[in-house]
Amino acid sequence: DTEVTQTPKHLVMGMTNKKSLKCEQHMGHRAMYWYKQKAKKPPELMFVYSYEKLSINESVPSRFSPECPNSSLLNLHLHALQPEDSALYLCASSLSYGGETQYFGPGTRLLVL
Amino acid sequence: GENVEQHPSTLSVQEGDSAVIKCTYSDSASNYFPWYKQELGKRPQLIIDIRSNVGEKKDQRIAVTLNKTAKHFSLHITETQPEDSAVYFCAADDTKTSYDKVIFGPGTSLSVIP
Repeated sequence: DTEVTQTPKHLVMGMTNKKSLKCEQHMGHRAMYWYKQKAKKPPELMFVYSYEKLSINESVPSRFSPECPNSSLLNLHLHALQPEDSALYLCASSLSYGGETQYFGPGTRLLVL
Repeated sequence: GENVEQHPSTLSVQEGDSAVIKCTYSDSASNYFPWYKQELGKRPQLIIDIRSNVGEKKDQRIAVTLNKTAKHFSLHITETQPEDSAVYFCAADDTKTSYDKVIFGPGTSLSVIP
């Protein structure tokens, strides 16, 4: 398996809802990432997990909560989001850190009402 | 930290012509420079990358050049086709962090006119 997969593809949620995004890879990659991408903008890094440990949180609000249950899975738990959080959420993975290529999943398009 | 600039922001070319996108970076210690193509509604996909120990790399119609002294790198697409229409992002690794982080340029929207 040479792809990063993400579910769901689309998600609509209210500001009081709790939902989760899921990302999976079976390439043996040990670094996984969450990005947020707004229309016509580059991906914006949110979190990095390296060897299943959270390496960085790019000052992301606490209404976004990442989780890495094992080396193949990455979740992003969402709670009490705001309309401005509507965006494409991309997961990526790389072999490790140190200038390794990042491979992106297809993304989850999130709309917060 | 690393800062990546990219020009032009939009580019229109006739089918069959060449397209050139240029990027500059600020971190002189950066070693890794990937280019991603993102079609509308799709994921960013790596199309080519270059590391600091080479000055040029080519893959069929796509080539990337790197000038470490000037801290700039460029993407060249020859014989453009309509399916090359997309947003292209350059990126450079941020050596100031201890993990694998790349900084993306703002993107270039390329339109290839049939």
